[in-house]
Amino acid sequence: GNSVTQMEGPVTLSEEAFLTINCTYTATGYPSLFWYVQYPGEGLQLLLKATKADDKGSNKGFEATYRKETTSFHLEKGSVQVSDSAVYFCALTRPESSARQLTFGSGTQLTVLP
Amino acid sequence: DAGVTQSPTHLIKTRGQQVTLRCSPISGHKSVSWYQQVLGQGPQFIFQYYEKEERGRGNFPDRFSARQFPNYSSELNVNALLLGDSALYLCASSLDFAGAAYNEQFFGPGTRLTVL
Repeated sequence: GNSVTQMEGPVTLSEEAFLTINCTYTATGYPSLFWYVQYPGEGLQLLLKATKADDKGSNKGFEATYRKETTSFHLEKGSVQVSDSAVYFCALTRPESSARQLTFGSGTQLTVLP
Repeated sequence: DAGVTQSPTHLIKTRGQQVTLRCSPISGHKSVSWYQQVLGQGPQFIFQYYEKEERGRGNFPDRFSARQFPNYSSELNVNALLLGDSALYLCASSLDFAGAAYNEQFFGPGTRLTVL
């Protein structure tokens, strides 16, 4: 079956530090890959996406590259801000499946200190 | 434009009771999906509906059921509640057009269900 594995948190960084959150996946076919962010007390927001191998998704200074050879989609940001504190979820969907449901990782809590 | 809305925001029930959660998708979106997010975990897929038909179902018992109405809103019902059903229930809507590499899902704020 499909699965997503994220690095365990929590992750605590100082403002302006470099961020990496690792994500690897298992899936048949050619999944689309996503990073979602969840701020306290809110639902999930799509942060970025990539739909085919070697695609790079980017948004708000965050980037992730779809690496099919290593089945990875690691999230990076060069300089984090306090406002980036949230829970980050890596997810995949298989376009060929009829339900197109998202399969999520367990999430990584990020805290950025001033 | 309004995003995905869910009601109620919070709900407290006791074991054995039944609960109904409601979701209104973004205007024009025809697909609604439901997810369960237990504290400290990622969301787990429960159902997806498209044009009032069930398109997919996750690994949840028959106590969980859902439906979609002609206006594309949706209800999730859970019968015979267990303590383990305590979670944040998220609804997501999407345009869901065929042939797309993906259909972006827009999530609502969720309904926090506590079962005592």
